[in-house]
Amino acid sequence: EPEVTQTPSHQVTQMGQEVILRCVPISNHLYFYWYRQILGQKVEFLVSFYNNEISEKSEIFDDQFSVERPDGSNFTLKIRSTKLEDSAMYFCASKWSQETQYFGPGTRLLVL
Amino acid sequence: AQSVTQPDIHITVSEGASLELRCNYSYGATPYLFWYVQSPGQGLQLLLKYFSGDTLVQGIKGFEAEFKRSQSSFNLRKPSVHWSDAAEYFCAVGARRDTGNQFYFGTGTSLTVIP
Repeated sequence: EPEVTQTPSHQVTQMGQEVILRCVPISNHLYFYWYRQILGQKVEFLVSFYNNEISEKSEIFDDQFSVERPDGSNFTLKIRSTKLEDSAMYFCASKWSQETQYFGPGTRLLVL
Repeated sequence: AQSVTQPDIHITVSEGASLELRCNYSYGATPYLFWYVQSPGQGLQLLLKYFSGDTLVQGIKGFEAEFKRSQSSFNLRKPSVHWSDAAEYFCAVGARRDTGNQFYFGTGTSLTVIP
């Protein structure tokens, strides 16, 4: 069964450094998403991406964040200058055109 | 504003006992409703979903959920819990439109199963 995959599973970085989180969505899917979950809190929407552009983003997704689909298979989330409060589990999700989003296993980001 | 509430942060049940996890939502229209499960180190796996029709939906692993519009609830149930059901359970709502709509998640319920 096709799955969404994410790399790395864990990332530790210093405050102020750039990080890139990678996702490989399910191959025939058209909509792509990033969510995050700060420890003990809700899973929160960050951004959705369709037809090579952002279709929706939350207040969390400020200028420090960017997304890209560089090669038709990968979907990346970049945080330009990480802050302590960016420490969270980041989930990638994708869907075709039906309503169900399929989630990856997540990347746990720790900013020191 | 859209929101999802899972009132129970943590539940402990004995293996073989029945289970009900509560989910209440606030949404401007009739939403799509989902339950996801997350085992340690794993991603969010879809258990079941409700779009329309029969308000009692069946999912994988013997789970079912009932949509009650009058109570704005979508509670998850299982008649007999197995030790492998220990995990984090998330309720989510999504918009009824075929676009890049976001999901709104609850805070999750952590399930412990004791032998």
